[in-house]
Amino acid sequence: DPKIIQKPKYLVAVTGSEKILICEQYLGHNAMYWYRQSAKKPLEFMFSYSYQKLMDNQTASSRFQPQSSKKNHLDLQITALKPDDSATYFCASSQERLSSAETLYFGSGTRLTVL
Amino acid sequence: AQKVTQTQTSISVMEKTTVTMDCVYETQDSSYFLFWYKQTASGEIVFLIRQDSYKKENATVGHYSLNFQKPKSSIGLIITATQIEDSAVYFCAMREGYNQGKLIFGQGTKLSIKP
Repeated sequence: DPKIIQKPKYLVAVTGSEKILICEQYLGHNAMYWYRQSAKKPLEFMFSYSYQKLMDNQTASSRFQPQSSKKNHLDLQITALKPDDSATYFCASSQERLSSAETLYFGSGTRLTVL
Repeated sequence: AQKVTQTQTSISVMEKTTVTMDCVYETQDSSYFLFWYKQTASGEIVFLIRQDSYKKENATVGHYSLNFQKPKSSIGLIITATQIEDSAVYFCAMREGYNQGKLIFGQGTKLSIKP
């Protein structure tokens, strides 16, 4: 059974709309992350959360807002969608964020297409 | 600034042979952690193996091993006795000691195993 669940697997949106990407992890981890993978680009770090608090934010746009309602949840709200936002968004988790030695485990991703 | 580079875009080898994938990195930090992940055709990202910069011994897990050459800032992944199911895209990644939240990925190497 998958330990990091991302919903939906595929998402199609129109330009200007708003979507929420869901992520739940059942690994008992305290740190969660969002990464983005665009066509022909390496995986890019977006956010990291530790104990439901934002620790790092590498996104240039405020249109991307992570939301953590529970310790094992980290959703990603994207507003005013643009075609350039089309990508696969991966949620990840690790036991603790404070240690760089921690290994990240990834969900299966949400593939977002903005028309 | 930290950077991870994988120059091999794709590699094709026969089944049951050994393959090496290259990765070089740039960092100013004396403490860092190096990871290899693979991304399957379904898009799933799977952690394979990790090397801590302060360890001289090359990490080995199953039929994966690393060739860590610290003076050359190089961390090669070696897969022995390759199997068809090893076909995937392999990513090298680095996490610096002070920058706990951010895992920097290389561009990936697509490995094809031929029967």
